[in-house]
Amino acid sequence: DVKVTQSSRYLVKRTGEKVFLECVQDMDHENMFWYRQDPGLGLRLIYFSYDVKMKEKGDIPEGYSVSREKKERFSLILESASTNQTSMYLCASSLDSGSSYNSPLHFGNGTRLTVT
Amino acid sequence: QQQVKQSPQSLIVQKGGISIINCAYENTAFDYFPWYQQFPGKGPALLIAIRPDVSEKKEGRFTISFNKSAKQFSLHIMDSQPGDSATYFCAASPLDDYKLSFGAGTTVTVRA
Repeated sequence: DVKVTQSSRYLVKRTGEKVFLECVQDMDHENMFWYRQDPGLGLRLIYFSYDVKMKEKGDIPEGYSVSREKKERFSLILESASTNQTSMYLCASSLDSGSSYNSPLHFGNGTRLTVT
Repeated sequence: QQQVKQSPQSLIVQKGGISIINCAYENTAFDYFPWYQQFPGKGPALLIAIRPDVSEKKEGRFTISFNKSAKQFSLHIMDSQPGDSATYFCAASPLDDYKLSFGAGTTVTVRA
């Protein structure tokens, strides 16, 4: 089974801090994603990476950056945390099969970040 | 602006009943429609998916119905069980794009 591991289950940070959320997958997947989950808004894509050192902005990239130095690891960085970034953050990975139909997303269990 | 609109936000159904969740989209480039199921404390997991070349797909008690002309698709959970209590997300993307657009989610509660 694919395992996507997010380093922290809960995180509390102060406004203005630089925050790192880490994600590791063990199935050699090319694609990795960071989503944000908020009640009533569903899952919104922050950033997507389709290869090492490659990244694409998602729907809500403002205030975030990402790093992918190794294939199995994808980090989300909040450069200066703000209270409106309090949320559940979900990392996911998928295979690059040429079609989304054959490449389901495999999610981690999430990191609940609170910014005070 | 959400590209996939999902309703209802929540529903309660008796054990053995039918749960129905509806989704609508505008982007005609979408041609892959998965549903994800999320239990409390866990990440979402793929439940069932459909492509627009079929109008219905059934897997056990879960059925997706798809209406291409209306740009709508729905999830039916037949004979709902307490273990089906979860949040369900519909999603959509073009087949050649891995970035899914998700609906807002529906919390289903099945009462024993």
